[in-house]
Amino acid sequence: GAVVSQHPSRVICKSGTSVKIECRSLDFQATTMFWYRQFPKQSLMLMATSNEGSKATYEQGVEKDKFLINHASLTLSTLTVTSAHPEDSSFYICSASSRTSGDEQYFGPGTRLTVT
Amino acid sequence: QKEVEQNSGPLSVPEGAIASLNCTYSDRGSQSFFWYRQYSGKSPELIMSIYSNGDKEDGRFTAQLNKASQYVSLLIRDSQPSDSATYLCAVSPGSNYKLTFGKGTLLTVNP
Repeated sequence: GAVVSQHPSRVICKSGTSVKIECRSLDFQATTMFWYRQFPKQSLMLMATSNEGSKATYEQGVEKDKFLINHASLTLSTLTVTSAHPEDSSFYICSASSRTSGDEQYFGPGTRLTVT
Repeated sequence: QKEVEQNSGPLSVPEGAIASLNCTYSDRGSQSFFWYRQYSGKSPELIMSIYSNGDKEDGRFTAQLNKASQYVSLLIRDSQPSDSATYLCAVSPGSNYKLTFGKGTLLTVNP
């Protein structure tokens, strides 16, 4: 149980374009989803927390107009990187928790974004 | 500023030995404690959660929590080369709250 999927696993896009990443909880209802970014050899950096049906809460320093998060249902959250630039190239990972999982967060497999 | 501190390592142990990973945290309000394993290029995988003082065992893994000392540890018995990974300590004040992660300890198990 507690499986989280992400799509796509890898994406290459041109500078200035937008990319959407999907995060799905496959076997549970995710009341809260989290989006992280990880640069090579660095720790996870939380970008935002989203609860189903409400606006995401962004961490300090994360541009909410650049990283659009939508948590439209209890099983799906999306992260859209708008007007991507090479410095946005990173490993984006979502995690999800539920009322039944309590404090435990389960991570998706991640999406590796490369902006050329 | 809530902080979670881990030795960055690398921690190197021979196959079959016990690996001991340590973590301290600054927020006394923390209620939930987790250990994640992250292989290079992969996302973190939850391996242990602990909520009460004392020990919790799951197979070769034992998590230890001491809230008074604000200390949590992970012991890996009979370490295997496949255990070689970065181990992340994470703490949370409660349900569905964001986790605060340490920077991770790189463990290498030598055959």
